[in-house]
Amino acid sequence: AQSVTQLGSHVSVSEGALVLLRCNYSSSVPPYLFWYVQYPNQGLQLLLKYTTGATLVKGINGFEAEFKKSETSFHLTKPSAHMSDAAEYFCAVRGGGNKLVFGAGTILRVKS
Amino acid sequence: GAVVSQHPSRVICKSGTSVKIECRSLDFQATTMFWYRQFPKKSLMLMATSNEGSKATYEQGVEKDKFLINHASLTLSTLTVTSAHPEDSSFYICSARSPGGQETQYFGPGTRLLVL
Repeated sequence: AQSVTQLGSHVSVSEGALVLLRCNYSSSVPPYLFWYVQYPNQGLQLLLKYTTGATLVKGINGFEAEFKKSETSFHLTKPSAHMSDAAEYFCAVRGGGNKLVFGAGTILRVKS
Repeated sequence: GAVVSQHPSRVICKSGTSVKIECRSLDFQATTMFWYRQFPKKSLMLMATSNEGSKATYEQGVEKDKFLINHASLTLSTLTVTSAHPEDSSFYICSARSPGGQETQYFGPGTRLLVL
């Protein structure tokens, strides 16, 4: 079975600082991994995904994530936080039946 | 591309009534759509998988008679909350799986249901 653990339910950074949101996964098959962002009262927007190939994946809004099989991790980073990045971020792994298994989410707060 | 819409965005209803939520893939055909429920400050809980032309597959613990799902076409799935009660109040989000084997789900904007 697949599972996702997001370390830190809340992360606070200053504007311009590095953003690091942690995600570890468990999967019995080669994983497909996703990061989604959710703004208040909205649905989820795909930030980036890893399926196969290059382990460093670039997404929208300057975010990127690196798949590290040895660490079973898929951490999300952004070099310089912007106020508009404040939102909730979900890491997900594809499970059986092509279902997505989500982590609990991390709320990112950006301080001015 | 890959836009998914939901209607309505917000609905308030009286206890005992039924509410229908529509999920549409606007620019692609989706043989599979998913319905999620999100409680305040919680992650998404998969309710059911909706397959075009066949019965939906419900997750364990989800009442299929209460949450009726119909996937009548390749671009439309509906979720009907029957005889709604206050405990059904929640944020309901649908997603549609992209074609072509990439297995990416694209999410609708969600529907906020409040049952009085």
